[in-house]
Amino acid sequence: GDSVTQTEGPVTVSESESLIINCTYSATSIAYPNLFWYVRYPGEGLQLLLKVITAGQKGSSRGFEATYNKETTSFHLQKASVQESDSAVYYCALGASNNNNAPRFGAGTKLSVKP
Amino acid sequence: GPKVLQIPSHQIIDMGQMVTLNCDPVSNHLYFYWYKQILGQQMEFLVNFYNGKVMEKSKLFKDQFSVERPDGSYFTLKIQPTALEDSAVYFCASSSTKNTLYFGAGTRLSVL
Repeated sequence: GDSVTQTEGPVTVSESESLIINCTYSATSIAYPNLFWYVRYPGEGLQLLLKVITAGQKGSSRGFEATYNKETTSFHLQKASVQESDSAVYYCALGASNNNNAPRFGAGTKLSVKP
Repeated sequence: GPKVLQIPSHQIIDMGQMVTLNCDPVSNHLYFYWYKQILGQQMEFLVNFYNGKVMEKSKLFKDQFSVERPDGSYFTLKIQPTALEDSAVYFCASSSTKNTLYFGAGTRLSVL
């Protein structure tokens, strides 16, 4: 089936350090996968951080970047310099716009940024 | 940004009783979703709903589960009867494009 595997948390980094959260996907029923990163801040619902719907493209938002790599079936999330306000749970997700299937989410990676 | 509201944030119920979880989606959204997350585990897809019909459901969407959105009001998830394993956080989401979902903060259901 369709699934997403991401870095198992929790992940702790110091402010201004770089970050990478790995995400790989398996899309057996989706011909043209769309890939997403969602973030959940404490007490809030998940919100979209970035999305990429075309293989080879890069998405970016709030200093975070992720490149849709079809060859390695990966969509790793990176940031060059994290801030304490980036502390949250990050979810990689796999979806499709050409069928009725709902997005599938990874297990989430809890990130804590130390001041 | 657009908000999805879930009421209440925590619901406690005795096993075997019925419970209805309410979701107030973003106005003008047409696609609605429920996801379930047991503490410490992955957020799992339950069901999606469009134009008054269930479009897709997972094996977690048992016969005891039902969804509806009567007259464009709340999108609800009903569980009747509840079981201990239904204890989890239930997240509602809505979407206009099937691409970007807007989530509520979740309702924690505790079945005793």
